[in-house]
Amino acid sequence: AQSVTQLGSHVSVSEGALVLLRCNYSSSVPPYLFWYVQYPNQGLQLLLKYTTGATLVKGINGFEAEFKKSETSFHLTKPSAHMSDAAEYFCAVSDKGYSTLTFGKGTMLLVSP
Amino acid sequence: DTAVSQTPKYLVTQMGNDKSIKCEQNLGHDTMYWYKQDSKKFLKIMFSYNNKELIINETVPNRFSPKSPDKAHLNLHINSLELGDSAVYFCASSQEATSLGRGETQYFGPGTRLLVL
Repeated sequence: AQSVTQLGSHVSVSEGALVLLRCNYSSSVPPYLFWYVQYPNQGLQLLLKYTTGATLVKGINGFEAEFKKSETSFHLTKPSAHMSDAAEYFCAVSDKGYSTLTFGKGTMLLVSP
Repeated sequence: DTAVSQTPKYLVTQMGNDKSIKCEQNLGHDTMYWYKQDSKKFLKIMFSYNNKELIINETVPNRFSPKSPDKAHLNLHINSLELGDSAVYFCASSQEATSLGRGETQYFGPGTRLLVL
C-alpha cells in the first residue's frame, strides 16, 4: 500500500526566506511523486512531478523538489518566498499497479511581509 | 478555455434531498475522477472512469452514483443527502488511467462546495 506523510500542517516563512515543505512516502515499488498547490477556493494545480530520470525536478513558480530514494522523501523547496506563494500544498504518490493518486494531508504555507 | 469545469460552484441543500454535480473536460482525456475534500482538507478518491467505464470505486455509500454519458463528462449524483456529505467535491481528468502506472498528471476542476443543512 502507498501512503504520504507531510510533516507540519502549517509552515510560516517571511517574504524572501527559503521555503521547505516536507514529504515522505511509503511505496512497495518505485513511485511517481507529485506536488500540487491549492490557492483559496480553487482547484489543485500541478507544481511538479517525478517519474523517472533526474532526481531534482524543477516546477512552476520557482519551486523544485528532489527525490531521495534512500530517505523515501520528496521535499519541496523554493529559494525565496513570495507573498503569492501562500497556499495549501499537497504531496501525492502513485505507483505502478496501484489505482490512483494518494494524497498527503496538506501543508498550509503562510508568508509574512 | 477552461480545461476541467464543474457546475455548480456552490450547492446548499437540505438533508434528504437529491442533487447532482456536473463535470466536463475539454482536454481530450480518456480518464476522469471524482475526489472528496473534507473540512480538514484531506483529499480522497471516490470514483474513476476510463472511456465511460468505471475502473475505480472506493468505499463510497451507494447513495453516490457516478454517470459518464461520454468520455468528456462525468457527473455525480447524490441521493438522500446527509450532513456528513458536506465537503468540496473535485473532478479531475488525465490522458490515461493513473492505474497504468506511467505517472500521468491529473488535472483538477475548481471544485463544488456542497453544504448540507
